[in-house]
Amino acid sequence: KQEVTQIPAALSVPEGENLVLNCSFTDSAIYNLQWFRQDPGKGLTSLLLIQSSQREQTSGRLNASLDKSSGRSTLYIAASQPGDSATYLCAVEYGNKLVFGAGTILRVKS
Amino acid sequence: GAVVSQHPSWVICKSGTSVKIECRSLDFQATTMFWYRQFPKQSLMLMATSNEGSKATYEQGVEKDKFLINHASLTLSTLTVTSAHPEDSSFYICSANEGTGANVLTFGAGSRLTVL
Repeated sequence: KQEVTQIPAALSVPEGENLVLNCSFTDSAIYNLQWFRQDPGKGLTSLLLIQSSQREQTSGRLNASLDKSSGRSTLYIAASQPGDSATYLCAVEYGNKLVFGAGTILRVKS
Repeated sequence: GAVVSQHPSWVICKSGTSVKIECRSLDFQATTMFWYRQFPKQSLMLMATSNEGSKATYEQGVEKDKFLINHASLTLSTLTVTSAHPEDSSFYICSANEGTGANVLTFGAGSRLTVL
């Protein structure tokens, strides 16, 4: 069964801290892995997409890594800001189907 | 950039009634749209894949007669929750593939359904 797990479920940090969100998946036969951001009551915004052949992707203060063999991905956020507060979802693509993790609720305190 | 619009953004209905949710791609055509459901503090779960001009493909465990999907045009897919019950209360999100690359999906803002 294809399952995606995210740890921690919730995280609260002071502004300026660097932080890491974790995602693990049970089936390593992935096409790609994506990290999304979801603000309360809003839809999803795609942050980073890592193809199965890639090891990492970077966008601004965000860096996502992928280790297919161990079934893990991490999202690194540098110098966190209150505006980063949101739910972060990891999604793994198998064929034309996305399997989502339950998300990590991030709160950055000013 | 590509935009997907969902309507309504929230709806409250009585048990036993039917509710229709619309998903529109505003500036691109989408032959395929996806419908997800998200219960509180749980993952987004794919319900069905909506194909323009043909029948939707439902995920295992999703009742076809309960969740009617119609993809009548390249810019519109609708999800109708028939004879809704309180356990159908959830956040429903649609997405559409822009078709520009590796499964680049644009998501709608979601529709919050509360069944009393």
